[in-house]
Amino acid sequence: GQQLNQSPQSMFIQEGEDVSMNCTSSSIFNTWLWYKQDPGEGPVLLIALYKAGELTSNGRLTAQFGITRKDSFLNISASIPSDVGIYFCAGRRYNNNDMRFGAGTRLTVKP
Amino acid sequence: SAVISQKPSRDICQRGTSLTIQCQVDSQVTMMFWYRQQPGQSLTLIATANQGSEATYESGFVIDKFPISRPNLTFSTLTVSNMSPEDSSIYLCSVEGTVGAEETQYFGPGTRLLVL
Repeated sequence: GQQLNQSPQSMFIQEGEDVSMNCTSSSIFNTWLWYKQDPGEGPVLLIALYKAGELTSNGRLTAQFGITRKDSFLNISASIPSDVGIYFCAGRRYNNNDMRFGAGTRLTVKP
Repeated sequence: SAVISQKPSRDICQRGTSLTIQCQVDSQVTMMFWYRQQPGQSLTLIATANQGSEATYESGFVIDKFPISRPNLTFSTLTVSNMSPEDSSIYLCSVEGTVGAEETQYFGPGTRLLVL
């Protein structure tokens, strides 16, 4: 079942603005993953985080693995129209079957 | 990263029929996963499919409804049996892959199923 609390549920921003979204959990995860899903497509991996406190960037995207292992955030800087989509966080434990997803953040970017 | 393809990409089916979804990966992988994503919802794991053993199903999913085959390390199928409108969803194949020395998970493009 879903154990991750992802917020916000949706965001409407102007092109050029920065975006921040986060996921929290009541339990510890060993890996945090952030995916983006475009309409009609499967989720695409954006960033993977493997160590508590780790801060990783992928272009305009930056994500951090919370020091408590119970949270993660994703920032998008200088948003552009193609950033539109649904962003999912996922937490994974060493047990390969135990991967949980957040409910998603739906991002709309207005030109 | 792994390249994953799924067939069909979408289908419209009549209630009571069954549909088999295929998942093909461009490299050998040990673990393959099948997820369901209901309209506007997040992803829910249906089962884990390992080659050479029976699939492991999550709570709420049973083999009679979602039989899975895993004949080799690059291919798997998921069948949605005796379909009803509640089965209308996106069905996603996923595989475990590595980024450097670390493990992660990749998804196929999904199969969009509408049951009338």
